[in-house]
Amino acid sequence: SQTIHQWPATLVQPVGSPLSLECTVEGTSNPNLYWYRQAAGRGLQLLFYSVGIGQISSEVPQNLSASRPQDRQFILSSKKLLLSDSGFYLCAWSAIYNSPLHFGNGTRLTVT
Amino acid sequence: GQQVMQIPQYQHVQEGEDFTTYCNSSTTLSNIQWYKQRPGGHPVFLIQLVKSGEVKKQKRLTFQFGEAKKNSSLHITATQTTDVGTYFCAGPPNNAGNMLTFGGGTRLMVKP
Repeated sequence: SQTIHQWPATLVQPVGSPLSLECTVEGTSNPNLYWYRQAAGRGLQLLFYSVGIGQISSEVPQNLSASRPQDRQFILSSKKLLLSDSGFYLCAWSAIYNSPLHFGNGTRLTVT
Repeated sequence: GQQVMQIPQYQHVQEGEDFTTYCNSSTTLSNIQWYKQRPGGHPVFLIQLVKSGEVKKQKRLTFQFGEAKKNSSLHITATQTTDVGTYFCAGPPNNAGNMLTFGGGTRLMVKP
């Protein structure tokens, strides 16, 4: 069966520090991969999605970036965090484009 | 761009009462997906509806997809404390290449 791993579960980072969140998927090949952000008590905002290695589409311009160095690995990065980057970051995968999403457990990021 | 609205934003019910959340899209959807997010957790896929007018049931949960494929509803009969969480609808528009759009969610609170 397919599983998705996302780490770390929680993270507290100072403003201006770098960020790297990693997500891996097991049990499937060539998944579509997604990064979402959820502010406290709010909905889901799509940040990036990828349909293949090295293919990244950005939905919201900001100081975050994403990379897909391997088929089942998706990384979210920032060179300098802002206070507004705080939130709950969720990685997800789907078998085909716009099919149901399977989310990881998420990372709660607090920028201080 | 496509907008997906959900109402109500919040709902408090007494355990045993029924609950309904409504989802409305500004554009026709190719399918509608429903997710549940428990407090502190990640969204979990519940169901996908594809056909116009489709109705599906999962135990006490009834999902409907409108005839025009622009709206949907989730009805829970006789709520239980385990139903607590936020329910999101999501749908990709019919236009090929457009991304799945999430509604803002309905947060359900159940008083025992």
